[in-house]
Amino acid sequence: QVQLVQSGGEVKKPGASVQVSCKASGYNFSAYGISWVRQAPGQGLEWMGWISDHRRDRQFSQNLQGRLTMTTDTSTSTAYMELRSLTSDDTAVYFCARGLYKWELPIDFDYWGQGTLVTVSS
Amino acid sequence: QSALTQPASVSGSPGQSITISCTGTSSDIGSYNYVSWYQQHPGKAPKLMVYDVANRPSGVSNRFSGSKSGNTASLTISGLQAEDEADYYCSSYSSINTLWFGGGTRLSVL
Repeated sequence: QVQLVQSGGEVKKPGASVQVSCKASGYNFSAYGISWVRQAPGQGLEWMGWISDHRRDRQFSQNLQGRLTMTTDTSTSTAYMELRSLTSDDTAVYFCARGLYKWELPIDFDYWGQGTLVTVSS
Repeated sequence: QSALTQPASVSGSPGQSITISCTGTSSDIGSYNYVSWYQQHPGKAPKLMVYDVANRPSGVSNRFSGSKSGNTASLTISGLQAEDEADYYCSSYSSINTLWFGGGTRLSVL
């Protein structure tokens, strides 16, 4: 069965960077894109960016461009998200999510990771 | 640009039907049939309920239905059940190669 398993929670100081991993299993990792979505405490969902299928095209939210890196390692079927220059506004649960359609942009999500809480505090 | 607009809350009694609206612009909902709806229970990851405006994934009850008119999409839940109580989010692809989410709607089943 399809699973996305994310790395554990992190506590970071302002100005630091954080990397969250998302290990996929149960499907052809290269055929589907991955999006990253975050949710601040008590708030709604915010799309951060996507990395497409085997072509690995990337698109970032304008809000995060310049601070966000998304990569994949096909040898381990793992996607990574790195966010730099953290502030308290980046405190949120971060989700990875698989695109619904093979070979298409990941803009509808049928499988989600369990979420990773990143806390930014001095 | 801002997120899609949803009502903050809606409520209904068991067995009733409710509709949640999601208003965007001609650059997103109005231009593309890439509207999805997600259900989120507290502390859980979102679950896809409707995609491409009106399609249901396998396993999602046919009590959930989606539609679109102009720049506004809607999710209707018929025959409300206690387990439908959750937060609901719409999303839409946009012309600037971005994905927008709505602010979310809390559904209470009274």
